[in-house]
Amino acid sequence: AQSVTQPDIHITVSEGASLELRCNYSYGATPYLFWYVQSPGQGLQLLLKYFSGDTLVQGIKGFEAEFKRSQSSFNLRKPSVHWSDAAEYFCAVNLDSSYKLIFGSGTRLLVRP
Amino acid sequence: DAGVIQSPRHEVTEMGQEVTLRCKPISGHDYLFWYRQTMMRGLELLIYFNNNVPIDDSGMPEDRFSAKMPNASFSTLKIQPSEPRDSAVYFCASSLVDGTAFFGQGTRLTVV
Repeated sequence: AQSVTQPDIHITVSEGASLELRCNYSYGATPYLFWYVQSPGQGLQLLLKYFSGDTLVQGIKGFEAEFKRSQSSFNLRKPSVHWSDAAEYFCAVNLDSSYKLIFGSGTRLLVRP
Repeated sequence: DAGVIQSPRHEVTEMGQEVTLRCKPISGHDYLFWYRQTMMRGLELLIYFNNNVPIDDSGMPEDRFSAKMPNASFSTLKIQPSEPRDSAVYFCASSLVDGTAFFGQGTRLTVV
């Protein structure tokens, strides 16, 4: 069955440090890939998406993600984390052109001052 | 555009009562989704519509749940009768043809 795995439940980084959140998917073809962020009590906000083409995609708030077909991964990165980045991050895939988004379990990011 | 609008933001109801959640999608979006978020199960897709027609309701947990989309600008998710295990945050989302989904702020439902 298709699945999305975010292996890290929590990650803590210091403000100003770099960040990488992992995402792996299980699917034969290349799906559409997304990263969303959810602040407490809020809905999900789209950070970035990958459909095709350049495997390094830029998003909002200084985030980027790289699609690696050989590893079935779509990891999210940010070179310098700000305290306001503390939130929960969800990786999602859209399979079979069905328009259904399948979400990972999320990674909660904590930022140390 | 104001984005996806959900109402109410919070709902507290007694077990056995009927609950109706409402959603106004972004104008021009052909797809509408209802998701449920809980600590135990994460984000679950309940049902989605294309051009007001339900396409996949395999995520609807029980017959107590029903969803309608009478027109392109309005959808409801109804739970009747409600149970404490239905307590969760319910999100509505609408999407472009390319599958990029935009989410509402959610409705936090508490069934006591």
